[in-house]
Amino acid sequence: ILNVEQSPQSLHVQEGDSTNFTCSFPSSNFYALHWYRWETAKSPEALFVMTLNGDEKKKGRISATLNTKEGYSYLYIKGSQPEDSATYLCAFSYGGATNKLIFGTGTLLAVQP
Amino acid sequence: DTGVSQNPRHKITKRGQNVTFRCDPISEHNRLYWYRQTLGQGPEFLTYFQNEAQLEKSRLLSDRFSAERPKGSFSTLEIQRTEQGDSAMYLCASSLVPGTTEAFFGQGTRLTVV
Repeated sequence: ILNVEQSPQSLHVQEGDSTNFTCSFPSSNFYALHWYRWETAKSPEALFVMTLNGDEKKKGRISATLNTKEGYSYLYIKGSQPEDSATYLCAFSYGGATNKLIFGTGTLLAVQP
Repeated sequence: DTGVSQNPRHKITKRGQNVTFRCDPISEHNRLYWYRQTLGQGPEFLTYFQNEAQLEKSRLLSDRFSAERPKGSFSTLEIQRTEQGDSAMYLCASSLVPGTTEAFFGQGTRLTVV
């Protein structure tokens, strides 16, 4: 069974705090690792797609790293803002470019002003 | 707006009724996916199309579920004889293969079966 695990399940932080989430996934037959941000009543928004071991990607205050050999990825948010409040989903795809994604249960982030 | 569009956004139906949802993908995308998310879970894969061909169906997709993409553009997902357990958010996504590995999602259709 292919399983993606995310931790923590939820996180409450103060504005300005930095935070990080973990995603673990099966390391065999890996193709790509995706991070999405999902705000209430909106579409899941793609943050990063990473394919190579050691990949690091950054978008503004958000960055992500990838370790395909041990099967984990970290997402970092520096100086959290209230608008960062959302569910952060990680998903992996395997075996080729099907884009069939196996999702984790997500990390719910609440940033209080 | 050229994003993925789903209709309706919300649907409340009585148990036993049939419902149909529509997804309009990004126009040049050849792949279209359906996912379902229930409370406390991440989205779960249901099925996907390459143009008009349905290439894979999850075991989650019971006989009461059917999906079509007749002309390789929009897709419909029909649920017959709805059950309370069908209550969920149904998400559609599209992508271009070969090309980017990124999948773009719609806002989803939230189904409530009462």
